[in-house]
Amino acid sequence: SQQGEEDPQALSIQEGENATMNCSYKTSINNLQWYRQNSGRGLVHLILIRSNEREKHSGRLRVTLDTSKKSSSLLITASRAADTASYFCATQTGFQKLVFGTGTRLLVSP
Amino acid sequence: EAGVAQSPRYKIIEKRQSVAFWCNPISGHATLYWYQQILGQGPKLLIQFQNNGVVDDSQLPKDRFSAERLKGVDSTLKIQPAKLEDSAVYLCASSLVPGGTQYFGPGTRLLVL
Repeated sequence: SQQGEEDPQALSIQEGENATMNCSYKTSINNLQWYRQNSGRGLVHLILIRSNEREKHSGRLRVTLDTSKKSSSLLITASRAADTASYFCATQTGFQKLVFGTGTRLLVSP
Repeated sequence: EAGVAQSPRYKIIEKRQSVAFWCNPISGHATLYWYQQILGQGPKLLIQFQNNGVVDDSQLPKDRFSAERLKGVDSTLKIQPAKLEDSAVYLCASSLVPGGTQYFGPGTRLLVL
């Protein structure tokens, strides 16, 4: 079963613009993680935010978490063509399995 | 540091045939995961190993899927017999400890005809 749902399902922007994608989930979590998947490749871990954190930054990435609304957002600033990929949120409760969302397909055009 | 290795990268079989996938995790990683990713969906955990013991196989279709990690290092995932709906990418991941950051291999893309 998929815990998270990403929104939008697909996003198309120009290089230099910001990209925002959202994730909603259903149950209480220990942490929420974002992964990137390039076409035909495995997933790459981007960032982890714990349930007691509200915002986290890593380079051009900014993640927010609102546990009261059971939602998270991933912001990619100054996007590049190389950011073209699918982005997945994944939730984790304790040491239990990661449960992935449905993903957002991001296309960044030069 | 070498990443998670998987083979083969691609496999095409006919329904009712058998297939096996191999995974070599990052050295020293005690936890190993197999995921199934159907086109257009996020990965779904099939089985999680801690060393050579199974931690979670609640979503593994045990009538046709099996997995083992005999020496606590490499792992194989087998499907026998395959069905059309098994067409997917099979991803292997490993982490140093349970609940730790997972590192994924490139996946095996399976097509069942």
